[in-house]
Amino acid sequence: QKEVEQDPGPLSVPEGAIVSLNCTYSNSAFQYFMWYRQYSRKGPELLMYTYSSGNKEDGRFTAQVDKSSKYISLFIRDSQPSDSATYLCAMSEYNFNKFYFGSGTKLNVKP
Amino acid sequence: DAEITQSPRHKIIETGRQVTLACHQTWNHNNMFWYRQDLGHGLRLIHYSYGVHDTNKGEVSDGYSVSRSNTEDLPLTLESAASSQTSVYFCASSGREPQHFGDGTRLSIL
Repeated sequence: QKEVEQDPGPLSVPEGAIVSLNCTYSNSAFQYFMWYRQYSRKGPELLMYTYSSGNKEDGRFTAQVDKSSKYISLFIRDSQPSDSATYLCAMSEYNFNKFYFGSGTKLNVKP
Repeated sequence: DAEITQSPRHKIIETGRQVTLACHQTWNHNNMFWYRQDLGHGLRLIHYSYGVHDTNKGEVSDGYSVSRSNTEDLPLTLESAASSQTSVYFCASSGREPQHFGDGTRLSIL
């Protein structure tokens, strides 16, 4: 069993929709939870990260962590065609020395 | 702005050749990482370093080597390239924050 599971999609939504991207994990020691966005032929770009449980909001993006369920989510409000990319979740334990990545979910936002 | 630069961006080589991929970061991060990304496998860790003269093997290290002589650079060497090493290679670094990535090197081995 992989330590981090992520549905690969693809996920296709109309412009303006609310998008929900999710990951589950098995290691209860994870403390930091990251979301990366990767455009085609580019490197992953850090979108946001949270420590422990709770929510974090940045513009149209909201990250949620539920440690009791070992489940994290990224919500994108008012999705735009420019949000079309692959989204990777990643996790780390007590520092940023080692990272565990999901396989990525490909998102397509249709105009 | 701080950044990670990878070079070359694209490379085609013959099997059996040696090739070195460069990674240079200006974040002043202690930790540096090399990944390969293939369809169906996601990001897989090749080697990593927690500081100068420190190197460690990741999950897919066979056929690859790294050395760390300063904080900024972690070159990745394929000693004798094999077709199975055709991939996109990403370098990343981290410190007191999550990893930042370069834009990758697309390596084709024929």
